[in-house]
Amino acid sequence: NAGVTQTPKFQVLKTGQSMTLQCAQDMNHNSMYWYRQDPGMGLRLIYYSASEGTTDKGEVPNGYNVSRLNKREFSLRLESAAPSQTSVYFCATRQETQYFGPGTRLLVL
Amino acid sequence: QKEVEQNSGPLSVPEGAIASLNCTYSDRGSQSFFWYRQYSGKSPELIMFIYSNGDKEDGRFTAQLNKASQYVSLLIRDSQPSDSATYLCAVNGETGGFKTIFGAGTRLFVKA
Repeated sequence: NAGVTQTPKFQVLKTGQSMTLQCAQDMNHNSMYWYRQDPGMGLRLIYYSASEGTTDKGEVPNGYNVSRLNKREFSLRLESAAPSQTSVYFCATRQETQYFGPGTRLLVL
Repeated sequence: QKEVEQNSGPLSVPEGAIASLNCTYSDRGSQSFFWYRQYSGKSPELIMFIYSNGDKEDGRFTAQLNKASQYVSLLIRDSQPSDSATYLCAVNGETGGFKTIFGAGTRLFVKA
């Protein structure tokens, strides 16, 4: 029972490159979330999916897109990475409380 | 005004002391309140949740909620060096909603 998994664990991009962060859960939860965490800023919600087939913007959606592929998988795409997107990205599910993946550390040069 | 506010710290306490962490929130309709612990380089993990006014105890941890004052706190008794981490306060922001609002966290250091 892996819980919430994320790939990759670490990534370095050049400005303008694109990439997709993958998240999968085996907890059978309906809701899935993408957060970014920057020093002193706490966790900020990028996008969330209340259930399969729906996605909604969070607090900081600009520069990102998401896909809820099925109940298990929720991906986050950066179409044209910018240095301001250097951060740690966490995927989470929620069933009353949140369950977090291990995080992806992204550096954009 | 931030929706969930915490003192960023660092809060430093000696081993064996009580650590007191505080949090205020702005949405009066909030129903569920959580404390997460995050070790450096790791993901947040839930340590306590509370729904009703008053105190809730779990081992060395006590969560306190005062909805009238929009205030949540976490007490850690007999603090240990292993409790050194960042503690995130979180609030389910809307009644029946899907968003959880996190505070920026308080860094706690427990000195041996």
